[in-house]
Amino acid sequence: DTEVTQTPKHLVMGMTNKKSLKCEQHMGHRAMYWYKQKAKKPPELMFVYSYEKLSINESVPSRFSPECPNSSLLNLHLHALQPEDSALYLCASSQEAGAQPQHFGDGTRLSIL
Amino acid sequence: AQSVTQLDSHVSVSEGTPVLLRCNYSSSYSPSLFWYVQHPNKGLQLLLKYTSAATLVKGINGFEAEFKKSETSFHLTKPSAHMSDAAEYFCVVSAAGFQKLVFGTGTRLLVSP
Repeated sequence: DTEVTQTPKHLVMGMTNKKSLKCEQHMGHRAMYWYKQKAKKPPELMFVYSYEKLSINESVPSRFSPECPNSSLLNLHLHALQPEDSALYLCASSQEAGAQPQHFGDGTRLSIL
Repeated sequence: AQSVTQLDSHVSVSEGTPVLLRCNYSSSYSPSLFWYVQHPNKGLQLLLKYTSAATLVKGINGFEAEFKKSETSFHLTKPSAHMSDAAEYFCVVSAAGFQKLVFGTGTRLLVSP
């Protein structure tokens, strides 16, 4: 069992839909991350939150909108996605943002029709 | 700047034989190094980490890695492979003050009976 919980596990949506991915951790970590992973590739960093503030945005298109309501929760709001956005979306957390091991959830498998 | 090179995209072993997954890194700073494993449709699980303490690092499930500064290597080994070890393995580098992890391209380990 992972200590970072992501919901839903699978999501299928049309290009005009609005949906949200959710991530939760109760390890007291103060840094949380969103990654995108395509098949047979390593994860690509999208966003970093440190102490609930956005500290890194890796030039992600605005159709992806992150939100950190509190230190345990991280959301990723999706709107008007493209077929190439289909991927595994991974959430991770670490004690602090930096050279520390990150704990990953099992991801949300997103398919855009 | 930091980078990681995983020297083999695929490694095939028989059950009960040793495993060697090779990783070379480059870092302008004292690096922190990690190995993660990813089973199909799962998130990444931390196997072990090096953070400037002992150069021989023991991890979970019988894996270990040795940090060799002179060779800029951090190879992952296991004395005896199990079928359950079949997965994708990522070598990762970071450094103090950096909020990002830098991933290698991954090595797929195949274990045959």
